[in-house]
Amino acid sequence: QKEVEQDPGPLSVPEGAIVSLNCTYSNSAFQYFMWYRQYSRKGPELLMYTYSSGNKEDGRFTAQVDKSSKYISLFIRDSQPSDSATYLCAMSPTSGTYKYIFGTGTRLKVLA
Amino acid sequence: EAGVAQSPRYKIIEKRQSVAFWCNPISGHATLYWYQQILGQGPKLLIQFQNNGVVDDSQLPKDRFSAERLKGVDSTLKIQPAKLEDSAVYLCASSYITGTLNEQFFGPGTRLTVL
Repeated sequence: QKEVEQDPGPLSVPEGAIVSLNCTYSNSAFQYFMWYRQYSRKGPELLMYTYSSGNKEDGRFTAQVDKSSKYISLFIRDSQPSDSATYLCAMSPTSGTYKYIFGTGTRLKVLA
Repeated sequence: EAGVAQSPRYKIIEKRQSVAFWCNPISGHATLYWYQQILGQGPKLLIQFQNNGVVDDSQLPKDRFSAERLKGVDSTLKIQPAKLEDSAVYLCASSYITGTLNEQFFGPGTRLTVL
């Protein structure tokens, strides 16, 4: 079993839709939860991070962490064609080297 | 602020040949990472440097991969000899410090194709 599982998609939605992206994990030591966005032929860029459980909102993006279920989500409201990219979840413990473990990424396409 | 620079952007080689990638991190970033991203997968950490010392190289295939970070700034990753399964994007990232969560800034990557 992988430490982090993420549905690879692809996920196609119409412009303006609410998008839900999810990851599950098995390592209870993870405390930091990140969402990265990766455009084609570019490096990943950090969208949001959350420490421990709870919600975090930034503009059209909301990150949720449910540690009891070992489940994290990223919601995108009013999705735009410019949101078309691969979304990677990443997780890290709060000790040692703070090594990131990435999910496989979900490819999202927002249709105009 | 300049981002993480990587070169070359693309490289095509035959199996059993050698190849080297170069990374210049963001100025002042003490921690440097090399990741391998195979098509359809997330990045996998190969090696992490703190200044010019290795912090984690547990997933680096040391029989064929080597990396160095002389003077604690630029870094090179070498593969010798390359195998078909090494075809991937090699990403370099840097962060300010380690020991706590710090945002990792990624370069554009080097896309390696091994024929």
